Amino acid sequence: QVTLKESGPGILQPSQTLSLTCTFSGFSLSTYGMGVGWIRQPSGKGLEWLANIWWDDDKYYNPSLKNRLTISKDTSNNQAFLKITNVDTADTATYYCARISNYSGDYFDYWGQGVMVTVSS
Amino acid sequence: DIHMTQNPVSLSAFIGDKVTITCRASQDISRYLGWYQQKQGQSPKFLMYYASNLLSGVPSRFSGSGSGTEYSLTITGIQPEDAATYFCQQCYSYPLTFGSGTKLEIK
Repeated sequence: QVTLKESGPGILQPSQTLSLTCTFSGFSLSTYGMGVGWIRQPSGKGLEWLANIWWDDDKYYNPSLKNRLTISKDTSNNQAFLKITNVDTADTATYYCARISNYSGDYFDYWGQGVMVTVSS
Repeated sequence: DIHMTQNPVSLSAFIGDKVTITCRASQDISRYLGWYQQKQGQSPKFLMYYASNLLSGVPSRFSGSGSGTEYSLTITGIQPEDAATYFCQQCYSYPLTFGSGTKLEIK
């Protein structure tokens, strides 16, 4: 059974760095073809893809966030991480981690419950 | 970036109705399109990949079609549990992008 769960600070101030953790089970990021992605959703709005990381440590980032993102993984502990530097109120959202599917294309077949992050002074 | 235009923004339907949600890509995405269902307060659920391939366990009243830049999700015989927001997602190229969502209300 595949499960993912996000954790984060809840609230932080503008200009700080947001650190998110995704703890998962039911698959391994050391397995060929596996990957995890991060997606966010402001309240009442749509989905924005942020970053993907693969079993071989290949990484893809959304260029709209202009080098503010860093994705990483800890294969031994079944975790993936996302850091967003210099946050502002526009980064307030629910952040999801999701497994990248094995189907033809980079879809997200299992999602975590999401973690709400508020940026406020 | 590939922009995904999803229509309508919202719609209402009666139980048993047939509804269609469309997703238009700003360029040919060669059927690399997925659909997700997000119920209120929940995470998105992956429904379909490669435009028309239903995930195991997804009811057969859901179907998908399309090619090139035009895609659609059809629900034939709406059920109360279909009330949700539906999103499309292209994975033809990075950055991955989603449609803005269609909120389906059951009358």
